[in-house]
Amino acid sequence: KQEVTQIPAALSVPEGENLVLNCSFTDSAIYNLQWFRQDPGKGLTSLLLIQSSQREQTSGRLNASLDKSSGRSTLYIAASQPGDSATYLCAVRRGNRLAFGKGNQVVVIP
Amino acid sequence: GAGVSQSPSNKVTEKGKDVELRCDPISGHTALYWYRQSLGQGLEFLIYFQGNSAPDKSGLPSDRFSAERTGGSVSTLTIQRTQQEDSAVYLCASSLGGVGSGNTIYFGEGSWLTVV
Repeated sequence: KQEVTQIPAALSVPEGENLVLNCSFTDSAIYNLQWFRQDPGKGLTSLLLIQSSQREQTSGRLNASLDKSSGRSTLYIAASQPGDSATYLCAVRRGNRLAFGKGNQVVVIP
Repeated sequence: GAGVSQSPSNKVTEKGKDVELRCDPISGHTALYWYRQSLGQGLEFLIYFQGNSAPDKSGLPSDRFSAERTGGSVSTLTIQRTQQEDSAVYLCASSLGGVGSGNTIYFGEGSWLTVV
């Protein structure tokens, strides 16, 4: 069974600092990995999708890397802003389902 | 519509009653997923539909849960004889293709179910 772990569970950073969120998974036979953002009381918003053959994806201030062999992905958010405060979820896909971590809860302090 | 639409957004029901949750996926998306998110827990896979293929029901927690997808579009998740442990957010998602397609999965805002 695929297990996905996200560390740290929660973190607070001052505005302007770079954020580094870590995701690890136990089964490296994945199709892809997707990072989501979830605001309180809301659904999930897709941020980045990395295929299993890719090493990284970038979108604006966001960069996600994937090291499939070691079962790790890292989401970097450059120059954090208060609007980045949210829970970030990592999900790996194999077969018909996504296996999710429990999230990194981020607070960016103005 | 522009995104995945779910209804109702909030539902409070009495223990033992049946509830139906509706999902309208993004137009043209052949794959549809239901997940459950309980307080303090991660997202739990429930069921997956892909086109006209038989659904993957392996995540449904008990026979009180069922889901159908009519005409390859709208889906309904039904929970019979609700229990307090069914209280959770039920999230629906869709994607352009199915397994192995590598397509982004888009989620709705969820249906918040409270069983009292």
